[in-house]
Amino acid sequence: EDQVTQSPEALRLQEGESSSLNCSYTVSGLRGLFWYRQDPGKGPEFLFTLYSAGEEKEKERLKATLTKKESFLHITAPKPEDSATYLCAAVSGYALNFGKGTSLLVTP
Amino acid sequence: SQTIHQWPATLVQPVGSPLSLECTVEGTSNPNLYWYRQAAGRGLQLLFYSVGIGQISSEVPQNLSASRPQDRQFILSSKKLLLSDSGFYLCAWRKTGAVDSPLHFGNGTRLTVT
Repeated sequence: EDQVTQSPEALRLQEGESSSLNCSYTVSGLRGLFWYRQDPGKGPEFLFTLYSAGEEKEKERLKATLTKKESFLHITAPKPEDSATYLCAAVSGYALNFGKGTSLLVTP
Repeated sequence: SQTIHQWPATLVQPVGSPLSLECTVEGTSNPNLYWYRQAAGRGLQLLFYSVGIGQISSEVPQNLSASRPQDRQFILSSKKLLLSDSGFYLCAWRKTGAVDSPLHFGNGTRLTVT
């Protein structure tokens, strides 16, 4: 059965303290790994798609990487406005199979 | 550009009452449409998806149903709500045939069944 597991469930960082979020997947024939950001009370907002091991994507302070079993979302020098829940998902049939997310809090 | 609308934003309904949530997409034709439910600690659960008018696939047996009466309209319904139907309901779309492209979500409906 396809599974997507994210860790940690919650992460608290001080402003400027870099860290990484993990997404491990067991999907036969990965056809895409997606990262989303979700603010409270809002729908998930698409960030990145990764298709093959070794691929990297960057946007501002975020960089997503992909291996054959995991993806990482690296956050460099985070700011309080980066506080959100970060979701990863893998293609599963016609839909996406989501992990439970990592809730990130960045304090000033 | 494409936009997706969901309404209402919040809803409080008593147990046993009916439900109708609506989602529409603008700026694209024949999108793939999805309903997900998000409950605390459980992540996003796929409920229904549709690849065309009148074509609905159900992923989880439950008290809910979906319909697609028009190309860019997707409706989630229930005849009698249960307490366990409470949650955050999200509609999403994707370009037709692009199974390896991202889903784009609306801003959701927070449903509380009392």
